[in-house]
Amino acid sequence: AQTVTQSQPEMSVQEAETVTLSCTYDTSESDYYLFWYKQPPSRQMILVIRQEAYKQQNATENRFSVNFQKAAKSFSLKISDSQLGDAAMYFCAYGGGNEKLTFGTGTRLTIIP
Amino acid sequence: DTGVSQDPRHKITKRGQNVTFRCDPISEHNRLYWYRQTLGQGPEFLTYFQNEAQLEKSRLLSDRFSAERPKGSFSTLEIQRTEQGDSAMYLCASSLVGLEQFFGPGTRLTVL
Repeated sequence: AQTVTQSQPEMSVQEAETVTLSCTYDTSESDYYLFWYKQPPSRQMILVIRQEAYKQQNATENRFSVNFQKAAKSFSLKISDSQLGDAAMYFCAYGGGNEKLTFGTGTRLTIIP
Repeated sequence: DTGVSQDPRHKITKRGQNVTFRCDPISEHNRLYWYRQTLGQGPEFLTYFQNEAQLEKSRLLSDRFSAERPKGSFSTLEIQRTEQGDSAMYLCASSLVGLEQFFGPGTRLTVL
């Protein structure tokens, strides 16, 4: 079975600074997807970024980028120029062959004005 | 169609009662997923459908839980004889095969 570990329950960052959220996973599959989802307080979960395991190039979406290290089974999220609207719970998720998602326990990100 | 919708958003019930939740996916999506999220945890997979076929059920889904997706459109999740341990947020998501899952706002269940 796949597992996803987020070892940082809480993180904080000054507005306009950069922060990196960590995620590690375990799997025996060779073909899979990795995702970062954002869940603002009392609002629904939205996809931030996704990475296909077969792609060596790290995914980027505007201020959000990932550092995907397949051999180390590591998938960190970097948020540049942090904004107040980035405050949320961030979940790392693994999607394998059956496409159900396995989530980590989340990291609560606080933005300090 | 602006996204995945779920109804009700909140449900308070007494232990032993039955409850039913509804999920309306994005119209062209053929896959529909149910997850459960407890406080301080990430969502946990419960079950998923491709069109009207239920393809997988988690061991978390006891015999008291049943899900349907008639005609491959909306889905219902029923919990019979609710227990306090069923209190959680129930999330629905939909997708096209192989693509990202879009989540609904969830139904928060409180069992007294």
